[in-house]
Amino acid sequence: AQKVTQAQTEISVVEKEDVTLDCVYETRDTTYYLFWYKQPPSGELVFLIRRNSFDEQNEISGRYSWNFQKSTSSFNFTITASQVVDSAVYFCALSEAENAGNMLTFGGGTRLMVKP
Amino acid sequence: KAGVTQTPRYLIKTRGQQVTLSCSPISGHRSVSWYQQTPGQGLQFLFEYFSETQRNKGNFPGRFSGRQFSNSRSEMNVSTLELGDSALYLCASSLVGGYESGELFFGEGSRLTVL
Repeated sequence: AQKVTQAQTEISVVEKEDVTLDCVYETRDTTYYLFWYKQPPSGELVFLIRRNSFDEQNEISGRYSWNFQKSTSSFNFTITASQVVDSAVYFCALSEAENAGNMLTFGGGTRLMVKP
Repeated sequence: KAGVTQTPRYLIKTRGQQVTLSCSPISGHRSVSWYQQTPGQGLQFLFEYFSETQRNKGNFPGRFSGRQFSNSRSEMNVSTLELGDSALYLCASSLVGGYESGELFFGEGSRLTVL
């Protein structure tokens, strides 16, 4: 069965610091998708990225970057020069593509607090 | 365009009652998924509907059910409520689903409290 582990339950940084959120996953499938979502205090999850298992290229989007390493089953998320608005709970998730549709397995989440 | 709309946003029920939650997806989206979020269990998948058919179901008892209408709107129902059903119920819509996995757009959720 699939599993997603986010070992860091809470991280606190000062504004402008870089921060990396860790995500480790387990799956027996060779085809799968990995996701990151942000949940601000309003409660609505916001999509950040989707990556399929055949694409190990790292991705950068503004201050956000993602490092996917199949060898260690990790999909880590880095925020560069953090801002107070980045404060939220971040979830990593996995979908096993074989008939899984939008059935995602979420990690426990990492609460990020960015202090001014 | 309008996002995913969930109603009601907040509700309080007592044990043994039943509840129906509604979700209107983004226009054009045919997949609607439901998730339960609790402090203890985190985010857990309930079920997904695609083109009015249930495609996948999570590990929840039969008291949890859902349906999707021809306009893609979805409802989920929980019968014989238990205290442990208190949670934030999140609905998500997607352009793709069923056999594919796509970007999910979530609503703000319906917060259910069972007394």
